[in-house]
Amino acid sequence: GQQVMQIPQYQHVQEGEDFTTYCNSSTTLSNIQWYKQRPGGHPVFLIQLVKSGEVKKQKRLTFQFGEAKKNSSLHITATQTTDVGTYFCAGPSKAAGNKLTFGGGTRVLVKP
Amino acid sequence: DTEVTQTPKHLVMGMTNKKSLKCEQHMGHRAMYWYKQKAKKPPELMFVYSYEKLSINESVPSRFSPECPNSSLLNLHLHALQPEDSALYLCASGRAWDYNEQFFGPGTRLTVL
Repeated sequence: GQQVMQIPQYQHVQEGEDFTTYCNSSTTLSNIQWYKQRPGGHPVFLIQLVKSGEVKKQKRLTFQFGEAKKNSSLHITATQTTDVGTYFCAGPSKAAGNKLTFGGGTRVLVKP
Repeated sequence: DTEVTQTPKHLVMGMTNKKSLKCEQHMGHRAMYWYKQKAKKPPELMFVYSYEKLSINESVPSRFSPECPNSSLLNLHLHALQPEDSALYLCASGRAWDYNEQFFGPGTRLTVL
């Protein structure tokens, strides 16, 4: 079945530094969605990318969808303590009956 | 209103109890979902309702029984649960069947004793 992998599983970042988290799917995705879940909270939708090679920015967050629509990345610049949480990518694929499959998440910890 | 609400926030139940989780959305969404999330794991799809009809059951044990009384409400009836069913139960809604962005409720943290 469809698998979505995220690396790294954990990301320890010094406040002010940049980092990137990666998402890779075993099948082609119709779109890629990113969610953020704060500790003790629930997933909150951040963004959706649809087109091959698409890049979108939200303030300090830059999201990219790969040319083959099988991978994606999230880059955060000048990390702040408010960035703490787990970032999940998720994507539907026809091969999986269009069900949304979540990656395992990247848990981000920020050192002040 | 862009909020999905869930009640209760916390629930502790014994293995012989019957309880229900409730979810409500007023965004006009026609797809509603139940997910189960264990600690440090991603949400795991349980059920999908599309236009108030059950369209996906991810082989969930029958001790979990979903219900969609109308387009705004989603219930999850619980009976004879096991301790391993303890988890965060998330409800979500979406605009359509085609798996665009989903809006999650705050969840019900369930503990089965």
